Amino acid sequence: GNSVTQMEGPVTLSEEAFLTINCTYTATGYPSLFWYVQYPGEGLQLLLKATKADDKGSNKGFEATYRKETTSFHLEKGSVQVSDSAVYFCALSDRGSARQLTFGSGTQLTVLP
Amino acid sequence: SAVISQKPSRDICQRGTSLTIQCQVDSQVTMMFWYRQQPGQSLTLIATANQGSEATYESGFVIDKFPISRPNLTFSTLTVSNMSPEDSSIYLCSVIQGSNSGNTIYFGEGSWLTVV
Repeated sequence: GNSVTQMEGPVTLSEEAFLTINCTYTATGYPSLFWYVQYPGEGLQLLLKATKADDKGSNKGFEATYRKETTSFHLEKGSVQVSDSAVYFCALSDRGSARQLTFGSGTQLTVLP
Repeated sequence: SAVISQKPSRDICQRGTSLTIQCQVDSQVTMMFWYRQQPGQSLTLIATANQGSEATYESGFVIDKFPISRPNLTFSTLTVSNMSPEDSSIYLCSVIQGSNSGNTIYFGEGSWLTVV
């Protein structure tokens, strides 16, 4: 079956620090990969996605590259801001599973001023 | 991108009662999903709801506890029946929307239920 393993948190960084949140996956087919973000007290928002190998998703300064050879989709940002404090979820969608999402456990990021 | 509205956004419910959550989408979609997010946890799929057929439930979820309706391509409801404190969660509706860059899954804002 499909699974997503995500770097455990919580992660605490100072403003302008470099961020990496690791994500690896196991899938039976050729999944699409996603990062979702959940800000405090809010629902889930799509942050970025990649649908095939070597694709790079990017949004709001965040990037993630679909690495099929290492089955990874690590999230990076060069300079985090206090407003990036949120929970980040890595997820995959596989046609073999009727396109439902399989989520990682989530990583809590806190950015200090 | 699809715009998904959920009602209620928040509610406090009495033990033993039932509550129906509504999900309205601004475009026609074939597949809709209901997820649960328990406090401090990740998301777990409850069921897949396609128009014109019975919902498909994931392991650990049953129709008697979480009946779902899908009367048309833009609307669905999830009922949480005979609630207990363990049902205190965020319930999220999601849809798949296709584009030239592939399929993307969007979520509503969630319905935050607290059972007392």
